[in-house]
Amino acid sequence: QVHLVESGGDLVKPGGSLRLSCAASGFDISDTYMAWIRQRPGKGLEWVAYISGIESVTFYADSVEGRFTISRDNAKNSLYLHMTSLRAEDTAVYFCAREDTDGYFEKGYLYLHSYKGLDVWGQGTTVIVSS
Amino acid sequence: ETVLTQSPATLSLSPGERATLSCRASQSLTKFLAWYQQRPGQAPRLLIYETSNRATGVPARFSGSGSGTDFTLTISSLEPEDFAVYYCQHRDNWLSFGGGTRLEIK
Repeated sequence: QVHLVESGGDLVKPGGSLRLSCAASGFDISDTYMAWIRQRPGKGLEWVAYISGIESVTFYADSVEGRFTISRDNAKNSLYLHMTSLRAEDTAVYFCAREDTDGYFEKGYLYLHSYKGLDVWGQGTTVIVSS
Repeated sequence: ETVLTQSPATLSLSPGERATLSCRASQSLTKFLAWYQQRPGQAPRLLIYETSNRATGVPARFSGSGSGTDFTLTISSLEPEDFAVYYCQHRDNWLSFGGGTRLEIK
């Protein structure tokens, strides 16, 4: 059964750091697009970052570029989000999700053959940034 | 960057009625548009991908359509479990989400 479980959410002070984890089961993340999406309290969904399949190309939303890093450990079948210089506006529930994407990168841009959406989601982990 | 605007923000309908949710883009999009349902306290659930394809296990009362800048999610006859928040999402080099439509019981 395909499953994602996030962990690592916590209360952290502004300027602090945190690493979120997402453990996958039932599929191999090494050649799969994976993404982090967050939801601020009472608000909508906001894409944060993604990592592509075999090429491991990474992209970030402008709001977190330079502060957050997405990575994965294929041996542990786990996805991570390392967050630094945290701000109050980073307070949110963070979801990891599997993305069924087929495409190729050319000159740093993704050209899609098909896109079957974010088809598996974790339950989310809560990050609160407050002094 | 593509901006997706969903309307209405809130839609009040009764079970059995037809729901039409709109997603309008700031520029012409490819077909790589998806729709998600989110119930309170739960993670989002994929409903529709590539504009009009139902995801596995999604009931036939859900359908998607559209092209260019205008996309629509239609629920033909509302069931009690359909009252939730719905998001559209587009994929190109980045991922973009609409602000959501809350479907509430009238």
